[in-house]
Amino acid sequence: DQQVKQNSPSLSVQEGRISILNCDYTNSMFDYFLWYKKYPAEGPTFLISISSIKDKNEDGRFTVFLNKSAKHLSLHIVPSQPGDSAVYFCPTYNTDKLIFGTGTRLQVFP
Amino acid sequence: NAGVMQNPRHLVRRRGQEARLRCSPMKGHSHVYWYRQPPEEGLKFMVYLQKENIIDESGMPKERFSAEFPKEGPSILRIQQVVRGDSAAYFCASSPPNRVNTGELFFGEGSRLTVL
Repeated sequence: DQQVKQNSPSLSVQEGRISILNCDYTNSMFDYFLWYKKYPAEGPTFLISISSIKDKNEDGRFTVFLNKSAKHLSLHIVPSQPGDSAVYFCPTYNTDKLIFGTGTRLQVFP
Repeated sequence: NAGVMQNPRHLVRRRGQEARLRCSPMKGHSHVYWYRQPPEEGLKFMVYLQKENIIDESGMPKERFSAEFPKEGPSILRIQQVVRGDSAAYFCASSPPNRVNTGELFFGEGSRLTVL
């Protein structure tokens, strides 16, 4: 059973600082690890992904780190902006579909 | 290229009525997924369809719910004899055939069903 856990339901960060969102997974049988972002009353939006053969992928202010030995995935946002305030998901990919958890709510304050 | 289009955006039904939610995937996308998000909960997978085929309906309730993705036209999620517990946001997502295994889905803005 492939599972990913986001242990922090919420995170509050000051504008300009770094936001670090974490996921821990119990099974390493994924080809890709993904992050999605969701604003209220909107659908989730794909943010960034990383191949299982890499340990880092960067896209502008967003960097995803994969530590396969520790079974840990993280998303770094720097510098954080108020517009980054949203719920962030690291869904698992199970056979043919994405399985979402409850996510981490990020709030970036001025 | 328009995004995933869902309608209606808001739907109010009384208990026992039927709800029909429509989803037009992005152009060139032949894979459609439906997710449900009850209030204060996360997104829950319901069903995965390709044109004229249901691939995975493991998240779909056995009673009252059905989904289709015909050769022509949008995908339809149909809920018969709605109950208050069906109140939720229903999201549709699509992907092109060559991106299915990457997990990158394109979501619509959702249809919010309220059952009175």
